[in-house]
Amino acid sequence: EAQVTQNPRYLITVTGKKLTVTCSQNMNHEYMSWYRQDPGLGLRQIYYSMNVEVTDKGDVPEGYKVSRKEKRNFPLILESPSPNQTSLYFCASSLYREETQYFGPGTRLLVL
Amino acid sequence: AQSVTQLGSHVSVSEGALVLLRCNYSSSVPPYLFWYVQYPNQGLQLLLKYTSAATLVKGINGFEAEFKKSETSFHLTKPSAHMRDAAEYFCAVSDKKGNTPLVFGKGTRLSVIA
Repeated sequence: EAQVTQNPRYLITVTGKKLTVTCSQNMNHEYMSWYRQDPGLGLRQIYYSMNVEVTDKGDVPEGYKVSRKEKRNFPLILESPSPNQTSLYFCASSLYREETQYFGPGTRLLVL
Repeated sequence: AQSVTQLGSHVSVSEGALVLLRCNYSSSVPPYLFWYVQYPNQGLQLLLKYTSAATLVKGINGFEAEFKKSETSFHLTKPSAHMRDAAEYFCAVSDKKGNTPLVFGKGTRLSVIA
């Protein structure tokens, strides 16, 4: 089944404790992206990747890191999480940037 | 820069009534336009997509949208609302050359009243 998976689905952590949210797709897509969703703000792009080893900042990259060492994986790293990073995070992939994006189920993060 | 404006953060309709969700975009180049739907506690899924093949685009679950270049609009409609249509709907714009990332509107929550 074609899908985008994210782990964990729910995470509660404390300020400053490094965490990684994994994202994997099995559709051989070149383009992958991370978004955060906050009430009243819609989806805002954090980082995106056009292909392996090619990543770039989105609209709200501060406090986040990403890597794309393999085509299928695109982890999101929070080196020192803060409460303002409490949000719902979505990973998405598409064959190319302008094509339909397929979204993962989301990761709900709470930073205390 | 591209942008999307969704008029109305919350729309409420009666079951069986017309659904109209408004989306206006700004783009300096020919756009690709999308409508995505998010059901409670789920990720987003594509409803329909405009890529210039036809101005009236039909999507899943009886939804359709019409691209109007003169009005820079891409409104989403459905003739008769069902309870299962209650969800959040997002309009998004990209450009055909792929030079800019997908930009989402802030979303419109649709409630359907029995």
